[in-house]
Order: sequence, then structure tokens, then C-alpha cells
Amino acid sequence: SQKIEQNSEALNIQEGKTATLTCNYTNYSPAYLQWYRQDPGRGPVFLLLIRENEKEKRKERLKVTFDTTLKQSLFHITASQPADSATYLCALDSMDSSYKLIFGSGTRLLVRP
Amino acid sequence: DAGITQSPRHKVTETGTPVTLRCHQTENHRYMYWYRQDPGHGLRLIHYSYGVKDTDKGEVSDGYSVSRSKTEDFLLTLESATSSQTSVYFCAISEDREATNEKLFFGSGTQLSVL
Repeated sequence: SQKIEQNSEALNIQEGKTATLTCNYTNYSPAYLQWYRQDPGRGPVFLLLIRENEKEKRKERLKVTFDTTLKQSLFHITASQPADSATYLCALDSMDSSYKLIFGSGTRLLVRP
Repeated sequence: DAGITQSPRHKVTETGTPVTLRCHQTENHRYMYWYRQDPGHGLRLIHYSYGVKDTDKGEVSDGYSVSRSKTEDFLLTLESATSSQTSVYFCAISEDREATNEKLFFGSGTQLSVL
């Protein structure tokens, strides 16, 4: 079955630095991959979608890469701010081509002032 | 939260009792989903719907049933709640899959405790 791995340890960085989060997947080649942000007590919020034929996608201070050879996506936040502190989830489409998204367990990001 | 209302927001119940969670959307989106979120497991899909009266199972559907009699409402029922169903439950919606945007919009969640 398909498997998604995100670093379960929190990423702790200094304000102003670039945060880089990793999402690895196995046993499948997804057509697209998504990143969500989740704050405590809230539902996830969509950030970016990148398709298999796209190497990189940007939105303001966010950048996502998609390496189908390595089966990995990297999520970057440049010039990080304390307000970026949250849990970030990656998700990919289901291998059975249904209407489902499969989520990773998320990585918590802490940005110190 | 993109016109999605989950009710109740919090519920405490006893083992063996039936529980129904409600998700109501005002976006007229075709697809609706129920996920549960647990520490160490992330979000796991319970059931989803691709139209009125059209539903299918997700990866953790045992012990749960769903119904969708109207576009805007998607109900999740625990027929006989167990302690292992203590979790945070999220409803999500998405537009027609043929659209370019296939992202999910999530509700604020329901914290369910089964004692």
C-alpha cells in the first residue's frame, strides 16, 4: 500500500531563516501532491498543489518541489516568522484514482523570535 | 472555514451509545469526506461521498456509517461507540474533480470522547 512519511520530530528554527520540510512517499507515483497548514484546534488549510509534471511551485514566501525520481517533495518557507509556527501536512492522491487524498502525519514547525 | 459547519464541536459519550456527527456545507461542493485525526496517525479517511446517496468507504471505515440525503449535509454515525473511536473528527469538502482545483476545505473539527 502507499505510504507517506513526514518527519515526526518538530523543526525548530530561528526567525528569518528558511524552513525546509520533507515529504517522502513509497509504492506509488501520485499525479499531484498537496501541502496543508494546521493550527492547534483547527482544521487543515490548503497551501499549495504541485502536479507530477511540475518541478517547482511558488506562492509568496512558500516554495514546493516535487521530485518523482526520489519520490520526495520539499516544502520551503523563506524568511520564516513566528506566525509560521504550525503543523504542516503533505497529502497525495490515492493510487486507486478515486476521489481520496491520503495524508502524512505532519511535521510541527516552531519559529523562534 | 469555507462555509463548513460541524456539529457538535465537542461531545462526551459512553461506550455502547450511538453518536451522530453532522457536517453542513454552503458551498454546493459535490465531494464530502470524513477524516479522523489521532496522534501518530495523522488524518485517516473514514468515508467519503461523491454525490447525494453516493458514498464509499475509506481506510478506517469499520464501526462507522454515513449518509448523504442532501448535497449540503453529510452525517457520520457511530452505531455503538467504543473507546478506540475517541478522536478528533474532521469533515472536508472539494469541488468537482474535473475542476483544476482539487484541494480540500476542512471544517473546524469535532472532539469526541468515548468513556
